[in-house]
Amino acid sequence: GESVGLHLPTLSVQEGDNSIINCAYSNSASDYFIWYKQESGKGPQFIIDIRSNMDKRQGQRVTVLLNKTVKHLSLQIAATQPGDSAVYFCAENIVKTGANNLFFGTGTRLTVIP
Amino acid sequence: SQTIHQWPATLVQPVGSPLSLECTVEGTSNPNLYWYRQAAGRGLQLLFYSVGIGQISSEVPQNLSASRPQDRQFILSSKKLLLSDSGFYLCAWTGINYGYTFGSGTRLTVV
Repeated sequence: GESVGLHLPTLSVQEGDNSIINCAYSNSASDYFIWYKQESGKGPQFIIDIRSNMDKRQGQRVTVLLNKTVKHLSLQIAATQPGDSAVYFCAENIVKTGANNLFFGTGTRLTVIP
Repeated sequence: SQTIHQWPATLVQPVGSPLSLECTVEGTSNPNLYWYRQAAGRGLQLLFYSVGIGQISSEVPQNLSASRPQDRQFILSSKKLLLSDSGFYLCAWTGINYGYTFGSGTRLTVV
């Protein structure tokens, strides 16, 4: 599969602080990127997405930044809460055989310290 | 609204036994369907995807196969399970506007 890697496998932050999770991707043809949150034993939950023609997108407490020059993606979570503790995956979308295919990174485990 | 159903939620199977995991989507037509596997502590690996009935593309060679007998049904199978087939299997679908949605997953343990 395609290579989408994360710089840090684990991240611990104090409750109320901001979190930044980074991701590097390798395929220049990727046109769409998504961040997912996965809690233990559950399927991934969509957080926020960004298309390749954008460099920033904001949601509720979350911001995704895309730097296509260095093929880097980041997820910023403002005022991190205990409920944010989970594994976060970035994924890049690559079109193959007429289908959109998501390729995931290995994930970063975010632990929020109360 | 669209929903995705995946079952069973957990499964323990002996080595060498067959496998059949089913995924169905409701509330949409002609979805793209996907099977992913997640090994413990790892990311998701795309196994198969399908753009239509009977059309299956495989991303990695393995002991598994997939079938799409109906528009909104996607089945993951194996004739003989290996220990290395253990993992968390996730079905997903997308519609015309991307919008990946995942099922709740099946945790398979091969013993």
